[in-house]
Amino acid sequence: EVQLVESGGGLVQPGRSLRLSCAASGFTFDDYAMHWVRQAPGKGLEWVSGISWNSGSIGYADSVKGRFTISRDNAKNSLYLQMNSLRAEDTALYYCAKDNQQWLSTRVDYWGQGTLVTVSS
Amino acid sequence: QSALTQPASVSGSPGQSITISCTGTSSDVGSYNLVSWYQQHPGKAPKLMIYEVSKRPSGVSNRFSGSKSGNTASLTISGLQAEDEADYYCCSYAGSSTQVFGTGTKVTVL
Repeated sequence: EVQLVESGGGLVQPGRSLRLSCAASGFTFDDYAMHWVRQAPGKGLEWVSGISWNSGSIGYADSVKGRFTISRDNAKNSLYLQMNSLRAEDTALYYCAKDNQQWLSTRVDYWGQGTLVTVSS
Repeated sequence: QSALTQPASVSGSPGQSITISCTGTSSDVGSYNLVSWYQQHPGKAPKLMIYEVSKRPSGVSNRFSGSKSGNTASLTISGLQAEDEADYYCCSYAGSSTQVFGTGTKVTVL
């Protein structure tokens, strides 16, 4: 059974940093691209970032480019999102999601339950 | 990377068919056959319903179908059922390893 378990969310002040983690199990992690998708309270989905199976292809939404960094450790079956210079508008539930392909596609077939990030003073 | 435009809400009676539009630009929807649709029930994670414009993942009802014309993609739900009541989001590849979601559509079964 595919499982994606996010951690690292919490309350953080504007301008500070936070690192999200996603522990993956139930599939061969290094065979698939991975994504972070967020959803602000009561709002729609926003794609944040994606990384291919070998970290050779990485993309970011304009809203986070230069502030967030996605990475993965295939030996640890883990996905990460380093978030710097956080803003109030980054407040959201952050989902870790598995792509169905090795390279980034829009075919995301499994999602975690999300970790909540709240940016507030 | 502007969000794709979807109607805020669509409704229909049980058994009817409804269509949700997803309008992008020539830089995203219009350039790639990489449009997906996701269903999200309240408090739940999204579920993939359609990928690559019109393909259905295993286990998804054939009442769900997708299409695309120019810069607009569409999701049609036929034989509407109570359990179809949810939020629906389109998503398109937008080049340079990025993708963009639609604004979301709330489907109500009357």
